Amino acid sequence: NAGVMQNPRHLVRRRGQEARLRCSPMKGHSHVYWYRQLPEEGLKFMVYLQKENIIDESGMPKERFSAEFPKEGPSILRIQQVVRGDSAAYFCASSPNAGELFFGEGSRLTVL
Amino acid sequence: RKEVEQDPGPFNVPEGATVAFNCTYSNSASQSFFWYRQDCRKEPKLLMSVYSSGNEDGRFTAQLNRASQYISLLIRDSKLSDSATYLCVVKTGNQFYFGTGTSLTVIP
Repeated sequence: NAGVMQNPRHLVRRRGQEARLRCSPMKGHSHVYWYRQLPEEGLKFMVYLQKENIIDESGMPKERFSAEFPKEGPSILRIQQVVRGDSAAYFCASSPNAGELFFGEGSRLTVL
Repeated sequence: RKEVEQDPGPFNVPEGATVAFNCTYSNSASQSFFWYRQDCRKEPKLLMSVYSSGNEDGRFTAQLNRASQYISLLIRDSKLSDSATYLCVVKTGNQFYFGTGTSLTVIP
């Protein structure tokens, strides 16, 4: 049973470009969470999705950030017009029942 | 006030030592509790869930005190491979709140 798959593992963008981060949950998991982690800091909740629905996006900035989890395909976290402060590790986690979380290896975004 | 607070450490202990980490949470309505470990630049991995009655998994023992809103993790007979950051996680409503982690280094 494959784990949570995230790609790309590393992404470099220039200021103003768009970043798209993808997350395929574990098989049978319909709950997906996105977190951001800055160096030397804890994980900060961004958004919680179930298939085709955003359940809680209270941790996600209102502007430039969006997330989706379509019926088919991976969950996508999209950051438009990236700025240097967006540089961070973005972790996706999935759960079969909104209980324990299982994390992907993360996507590390660097904004030049 | 932060949802979850942990002593960041670092804790530097010799092999074979017993070490304890503590965590407090602010919301009495929190319903689930976990310990995760995170190695440098890696993803967090579930170590154990924490139950009201306390639970043990090998060298690891977790305890929950709902009245004091306090969670603990005890590691006995520390191994070099236990060196990591230990994250206290509390679920409240839809959200999982992560502490900033306690750093442990086990020294030969």
